[in-house]
Amino acid sequence: AQSVAQPEDQVNVAEGNPLTVKCTYSVSGNPYLFWYVQYPNRGLQFLLKYITGDNLVKGSYGFEAEFNKSQTSFHLKKPSALVSDSALYFCAVRDATDSWGKFQFGAGTQVVVTP
Amino acid sequence: ETGVTQSPTHLIKTRGQQVTLRCSSQSGHNTVSWYQQALGQGPQFIFQYYREEENGRGNFPPRFSGLQFPNYSSELNVNALELDDSALYLCASSLSVGIVGRDKNIQYFGAGTRLSVL
Repeated sequence: AQSVAQPEDQVNVAEGNPLTVKCTYSVSGNPYLFWYVQYPNRGLQFLLKYITGDNLVKGSYGFEAEFNKSQTSFHLKKPSALVSDSALYFCAVRDATDSWGKFQFGAGTQVVVTP
Repeated sequence: ETGVTQSPTHLIKTRGQQVTLRCSSQSGHNTVSWYQQALGQGPQFIFQYYREEENGRGNFPPRFSGLQFPNYSSELNVNALELDDSALYLCASSLSVGIVGRDKNIQYFGAGTRLSVL
């Protein structure tokens, strides 16, 4: 079985400061890892994914994430947060060896960026 | 915008009724997945359709059923609605190549249908 944990319900950060949203995962095989963002009354928007290769993945809107296999983590980062980054962020994992690749999402982390 | 459209945007039903939600996938995509997102929670996988067949299902009872049409659009049907079915229902489309489910492709989500069961 696969699972995703986002240990923080909410992250508060001042505009211009670094932003980190934590995610840890558990899968039987190799993981495919994704980050999505959700704004109020909107669907999920894709930010970035890790499939294989470089552990540091760069995505949309200046976000990046670092895959750490030993710690089974895939934390989302942004060097300088903007007020417009305030939203709900979801980490998701797929098991690469699963025959039909069910997506498992975390519970989400609310990011609040204050001016 | 992702190009995935869902209808209706909002829906109010009463317990015991049946509901049909619709999803039009992004152009060129052949796979549709449905998710239920309860308030304050992450999306929960309901099922996935590829080539008009269900090829994966989460922990949802049989009263949740679906269809995929030749144009890859899809429907989610829920019978005998319960109060706990109140949620945002999300549709996601993707392009599956090779072994379905093992592809690395991104799922693109629609804005969802907000279902309220009274």
